[in-house]
Amino acid sequence: EAGVVQSPRYKIIEKKQPVAFWCNPISGHNTLYWYLQNLGQGPELLIRYENEEAVDDSQLPKDRFSAERLKGVDSTLKIQPAELGDSAVYLCASSLELWSSASPNTGELFFGEGSRLTVL
Amino acid sequence: AQSVTQPDIHITVSEGASLELRCNYSYGATPYLFWYVQSPGQGLQLLLKYFSGDTLVQGIKGFEAEFKRSQSSFNLRKPSVHWSDAAEYFCAVKGYSTLTFGKGTMLLVSP
Repeated sequence: EAGVVQSPRYKIIEKKQPVAFWCNPISGHNTLYWYLQNLGQGPELLIRYENEEAVDDSQLPKDRFSAERLKGVDSTLKIQPAELGDSAVYLCASSLELWSSASPNTGELFFGEGSRLTVL
Repeated sequence: AQSVTQPDIHITVSEGASLELRCNYSYGATPYLFWYVQSPGQGLQLLLKYFSGDTLVQGIKGFEAEFKRSQSSFNLRKPSVHWSDAAEYFCAVKGYSTLTFGKGTMLLVSP
């Protein structure tokens, strides 16, 4: 079974330029997450989708970041314009269960390899 | 709100020696706890998880972890470290919206 696929793996851009990251979750997984991982830190949630609905985007800087999950499968995370402080690894993860489901939810997430962004 | 503390930023262990990585959590209810490992340039891989039942859980690659409610801890252990275990290790607790991760412990393995 294929895992979570992300692209590009690496991206170098100049500040003020736009950038987009793509994520294909594990087939059948209903919940998709975008995390931000700064150097020396643990991952922090940016946005969570349940199917095609963004149910938690409270940590997403909406002035420059946007995300979409069309048809409840693939997802794209965009930054426009990028700033120096956006240099980080952007991780995508998916899980089978709906996080907000009333039924038992193991909370196990499956991660992609990440997209490393460098803003010059 | 839930939180995770990993008090050791770096740990160096000799190959073949035993390992213990510390994790303390804060969560109001019975926690679901996880350990993930991240090799350089890679995503996070699940080592093991605790939901309920036996407080000593076994994971992949010879790792185990023990849940101690009285100490709010979920420490990761391995009896004999291999050079390939050098990586960053993250403890996480399942919260309301997602997993909350600690800042990680970098494991260095010396010959």
